[in-house]
Amino acid sequence: EAQVTQNPRYLITVTGKKLTVTCSQNMNHEYMSWYRQDPGLGLRQIYYSMNVEVTDKGDVPEGYKVSRKEKRNFPLILESPSPNQTSLYFCASSGDRSFWSSYNEQFFGPGTRLTVL
Amino acid sequence: GQQVMQIPQYQHVQEGEDFTTYCNSSTTLSNIQWYKQRPGGHPVFLIQLVKSGEVKKQKRLTFQFGEAKKNSSLHITATQTTDVGTYFCAGTTSGTYKYIFGTGTRLKVLA
Repeated sequence: EAQVTQNPRYLITVTGKKLTVTCSQNMNHEYMSWYRQDPGLGLRQIYYSMNVEVTDKGDVPEGYKVSRKEKRNFPLILESPSPNQTSLYFCASSGDRSFWSSYNEQFFGPGTRLTVL
Repeated sequence: GQQVMQIPQYQHVQEGEDFTTYCNSSTTLSNIQWYKQRPGGHPVFLIQLVKSGEVKKQKRLTFQFGEAKKNSSLHITATQTTDVGTYFCAGTTSGTYKYIFGTGTRLKVLA
C-alpha cells in the first residue's frame, strides 16, 4: 500500500531533550516536506527536500533540522525542544515523476502530536 | 512575507445548502492545490489548478483559479454530512518549491 508513515504518533517530552520524528514513504517520491499545524494558523512548512542531499527552509525552520540521506526517509530533528514547538506535525511527499509536472499531489502521513513540557 | 488567507474561518450549513470558501494570496501563485482534512485526520489532496481562470469540477465540488492567479475558490453544491472537515488551499510561487497553506475553513454540516 502506498503510504507515508511517521513515528512516533504521540510524544510528550521535556524542554531541551533532543528528539527525532521519523518519516518514510514507499512511493519513490522525490519531494518530501515537514509541516506543523497549529489552531488558527493552518499548516506551515518547516523544511522541504527536492531530492537526496537537497534540503531547503520553509516558512518556520527555526529550532528544527532535517536530513535526506535516502530517498525514502526524511527525519525531523529537534535538537533542543521548547514549549513553543508543541504542535501537530505532518510529513508529506509528492512527485513520482518530474516535480515540474503539473500534477504534484502531496501525500500526508498520519501526523505526530508533540507536547514539550 | 507571503500570506494566503482563507475566508470564512468557520461555516455552519444545513445539509443540502451550498458552501463556498475563498482563498486569497498576497502574491501570484504558480499553482493552487486544495486539501480536505477530516477531524482528527490528515490533509487529503482534492485537486490542483495551474492555469489562469481554470475551472475544474469533481461531482458536487467546483474549483476555480482566478485570472490573476492570486485567488481561488471551492464551492460545494448541496452539502452532505460527509463534507464535514477543514478545507485548505495551498500554493507555490514561481521559482520556489516552498508551499504556503491557507488558514483553512472549517465546515460543519447540520443534518
